[in-house]
Amino acid sequence: QVQLQESGPGLVKPSETLSLTCAVSGYSISSGYYWGWIRQPPGKGLEWIGSIYHSGSTYYNPSLKSRVTISVDTSKNQFSLKLSSVTAADTAVYYCARQRQLWFGFDYWGQGTLVTVSS
Amino acid sequence: QSVLTQPPSASGTPGQRVTISCSGSSSNIGSNTVNWYQQLPGTAPKLLIYSNNQRPSGVPDRFSGSKSGTSASLAISGLQSEDEADYYCAAWDDSLDVVFGGGTKLTVL
Repeated sequence: QVQLQESGPGLVKPSETLSLTCAVSGYSISSGYYWGWIRQPPGKGLEWIGSIYHSGSTYYNPSLKSRVTISVDTSKNQFSLKLSSVTAADTAVYYCARQRQLWFGFDYWGQGTLVTVSS
Repeated sequence: QSVLTQPPSASGTPGQRVTISCSGSSSNIGSNTVNWYQQLPGTAPKLLIYSNNQRPSGVPDRFSGSKSGTSASLAISGLQSEDEADYYCAAWDDSLDVVFGGGTKLTVL
């Protein structure tokens, strides 16, 4: 069974960089698929942040592209998100998920982790 | 403001059939497939429909999806109390972007 688990600080100060990691079990990232990050501000809808292919090719939400970096570590079977210069508007539950192709749905999701941006 | 447009709410009584619409444009729904997610309170979204009308293993056939032009719909037949959730449509956009609808809160009366 494929499982994803997000980890990282739950509190980040404004202007700093948010860093999260998604550990994957039950499937080898090296075998394929795209691996993505999606966020959901409290009480609001879903927003795609970006996705990475196992080879390292990345695709980012154009509105966040200047602040986002997604990377993959196949040796640890995990991928990571960095979002720089955060503000209160970046407060959200952050999910990691898997998708077969960029136009396919995300079929496996992590449970999500709440990141609050506050001083 | 979401790229895909959904009604904010929908409702129905047990056993009824309800539909949720999702409107987009030629760069997303018009040229790519649509996926639907169900999000129960306090949980991660779950893939309900992919490629317009395909159900992942384990999703009841009460759920069905369709697409026509730049719009898509999710239909739920034989509505049950456990279907009360938020529903989101999503699609790949030719601007290299995954776009979501704003979500529809389904209430089972």
